[in-house]
This record gives sequence, structure tokens and C-alpha cells, in this order.
Amino acid sequence: QVQLQESGPGLVKPLQTLSLTCTVSGGSISSGGYFWNWIRQHPVKGLEWIGSIYYRGSTYYNPSLKSRLTLSVDTSKNHFSLKLRSVTAADTAVYYCARNPWDGIGYYGMDVWGHGTTVTVSS
Amino acid sequence: QLVLTQSPSASASLGASVKLTCTLTSGHSSYAIAWHQPQPEKGPRYLMNLNSDGSHNKGDGIPDRFSGSSSGAERNLTISSLQSEDEADYYCQTWGTGILEMFGGGTKLTVL
Repeated sequence: QVQLQESGPGLVKPLQTLSLTCTVSGGSISSGGYFWNWIRQHPVKGLEWIGSIYYRGSTYYNPSLKSRLTLSVDTSKNHFSLKLRSVTAADTAVYYCARNPWDGIGYYGMDVWGHGTTVTVSS
Repeated sequence: QLVLTQSPSASASLGASVKLTCTLTSGHSSYAIAWHQPQPEKGPRYLMNLNSDGSHNKGDGIPDRFSGSSSGAERNLTISSLQSEDEADYYCQTWGTGILEMFGGGTKLTVL
């Protein structure tokens, strides 16, 4: 069974870069057929999609974050990563990674999620 | 522009049934969606995907009490025989152009 685990610092200073990694176990990122996603949830707010990456490196970003965001994938380590630059308090949130099946036919939604990691932006 | 609309709150009694609705904006009534239930310390739980014809596939371990249906632009999640652990937020999700994935605002379900 595929499992996802987020990792990264829980505290980031304003204007610095937030870096998170999602490690995939129980399956291979490079097997294809999935988009790998980052999502966040601000305190007492809803879910916000951050961006998606395919194992070959194609990326899709939320337009509201695109100028500060870079997603990457390392198939040799079976993980994918997020870098969000110039963070502010508004980036304080629980960050999740999730898998989204893609077969070019139907839409399935994100069927496997990590447990999430809390990131606080504060000096 | 595609938007997913959910009522902010819903309530129903223990043992009863409740229907939560996610409404797609006009012109997008053919879109499939997914339903999720965030769980404290565990991350969101994938409940099901739900197609425009009402067909749906549930996630692993999702009980039969959870079902989905569609009517026009509405995508419904029905929970029957409500239990206290069903008290949670529920989010719908779909895809779009310009923004690849999006979520509705969520519905907070209270079990009375």
C-alpha cells in the first residue's frame, strides 16, 4: 500500500525559503499514472492546492503561488519536493502531499494523502 | 470560471442520514469530483470519486454508509446511519483549466 510522508522544518523565518519533501513508500513514483501534489490548509481555513508534478518533471502551479514556487521530483530517491520562496506569515499552514491518479480518461481526485506537516512562518 | 460551492455547515442527528452537496458552476455539469474528509493527525481521507452520471468509486475502507449521487451540476455525498465520528469537515475537489486542481470551501458537519 502506497504511503506518503512529508518532511521539513516546522519553523521558517519570514522571507526565507520553505523546503519540504514528500517520500513515497510502497510504490514507485516513476511507474507513471499519477500526479504528485502539494496542498496546504491554513489555520481554520479550507484546503488550497499548491501544485502538481509528474514523474517526468512536468509541473503545474497554482497561479497565486507560481512566482515563488518550484516543484521537483527525484525518482532515484522516490520523493518529490517543494520550495516556496520569500515566505510570510500567510504561508503558515499544514502542508500535505497527495497522489492523484491520471489515465487520460476519468477524474479520480487525490486518493492517497500524507499525514501533513505544520509549517509556521515566524521570526 | 469553475467554482465549487459547498454550504459552510450542516447538521443531523445521530443515526439519521445527511446529504452534503457540492455544486459546480454553470457549464461544468459534466465534471467529476472527489470527496475528502480531513482527519486530525492523519491527513485527509479520500472518500470517493463521483462522476456526472452518479457512478462512484469509494476509497479503501470507506463504509457502505457513505454513498454518492449526481444531479445536473450537483454532486452529493450522503452519509446514512450517522455516527459521532462522522462529525468532520467535508471537501469536494475537481480539476480545471488555469488551475489544475481546486477544492470547495468545505462543509462542517455536526452530528447532534
